[in-house]
Amino acid sequence: AQSVTQLDSQVPVFEEAPVELRCNYSSSVSVYLFWYVQYPNQGLQLLLKYLSGSTLVKGINGFEAEFNKSQTSFHLRKPSVHISDTAEYFCAVSERTGTASKLTFGTGTRLQVTL
Amino acid sequence: DTGVSQNPRHKITKRGQNVTFRCDPISEHNRLYWYRQTLGQGPEFLTYFQNEAQLEKSRLLSDRFSAERPKGSFSTLEIQRTEQGDSAMYLCASSVGSGRRNEQYFGPGTRLTVT
Repeated sequence: AQSVTQLDSQVPVFEEAPVELRCNYSSSVSVYLFWYVQYPNQGLQLLLKYLSGSTLVKGINGFEAEFNKSQTSFHLRKPSVHISDTAEYFCAVSERTGTASKLTFGTGTRLQVTL
Repeated sequence: DTGVSQNPRHKITKRGQNVTFRCDPISEHNRLYWYRQTLGQGPEFLTYFQNEAQLEKSRLLSDRFSAERPKGSFSTLEIQRTEQGDSAMYLCASSVGSGRRNEQYFGPGTRLTVT
């Protein structure tokens, strides 16, 4: 089974500062990786995904992530955060289960943006 | 595209009672997933439907949990004889394909509190 590790449970950052949220995965096969964001009392919204091709993936809201196979990492970055980016961020890997696929999530990183 | 909807959004019940949650997927999506999210954790896969067929249910937490998708459209998740440990957010997701590349779209979730 594949797994995902999010190394930081909380990341405090000032508005307009850059941020990096770390994600490491374990897999011996090809991987499909996702970052989701969850605002309070809401479901998950896809930020970006890596399926193949370019290792630098751009997503919504100015976020991007870099797939690094040698370091088994898929870190999420934003050059300048906004108060509205305060949320929980989840890294996930897609893996087969029976005839379908499921997402296996990390434990999440809470991004807290302050003035 | 109205997105994935879930009802109710919140449910408070007493231990021992049965509860049922409903999920309406995006209309053209034939794959439907249920996840459970406990406090401080990422979502955990429970079960999966392709149309009306439940193809993966081994991750349902106990025989108190059951899910149906009778006409291949909406789905229900039932928990019988609820326990305090069942308190969690129950998330539904849908996708148009079952491959690992396919994005899953999440609903807002149903938050269950068992007193």
